[in-house]
Amino acid sequence: GNSVTQMEGPVTLSEEAFLTINCTYTATGYPSLFWYVQYPGEGLQLLLKATKADDKGSNKGFEATYRKETTSFHLEKGSVQVSDSAVYFCALSGGWLTFGKGITLSVRP
Amino acid sequence: DGGITQSPKYLFRKEGQNVTLSCEQNLNHDAMYWYRQDPGQGLRLIYYSQIVNDFQKGDIAEGYSVSREKKESFPLTVTSAQKNPTAFYLCASSIEAAPGTEAFFGQGTRLTVV
Repeated sequence: GNSVTQMEGPVTLSEEAFLTINCTYTATGYPSLFWYVQYPGEGLQLLLKATKADDKGSNKGFEATYRKETTSFHLEKGSVQVSDSAVYFCALSGGWLTFGKGITLSVRP
Repeated sequence: DGGITQSPKYLFRKEGQNVTLSCEQNLNHDAMYWYRQDPGQGLRLIYYSQIVNDFQKGDIAEGYSVSREKKESFPLTVTSAQKNPTAFYLCASSIEAAPGTEAFFGQGTRLTVV
């Protein structure tokens, strides 16, 4: 079946640091890949997505590239801000969303 | 404004009681979903519905029931058979249940069973 594996957290960074959050997946067929973000006490919001191999999703300075050869969709941002503190979920869609366990990012001033 | 409304935001129930969580959407989406979120576990699919009057079990359906009598509504009942019901419940919808389709989420209901 489908599954998503995210790196273990939590992650704590200083403002303006570089961010990488690793995500790998196992799936049959050709799933679409997503990153969702969850702020405290709220639901999830779509951050970015990619629907086929080599696609790059980007939004709000975040980027992720769909790598079929390594079955990965790592999230990156060149300079994080305090407002980026949240929980980040990697997910794949083969009809419905299958999520990783999420990782908490804390950015300190 | 279009979106998904879950109510209530917080819910407390005594052990052994059934409880129903509400989910309404005005996005005209065909597909709706219920997820359960526990610390360190990510989101796990409870039930999903691709169209009115049809729904399918997800990975953790035991102890839960749903109905889909109207396109805009997908209530979830947590029954007394659910062994560990305390969790954060998220409802979502999408235009259709197909790869590449973005899902929109409600704000969630935090259920505490005492």
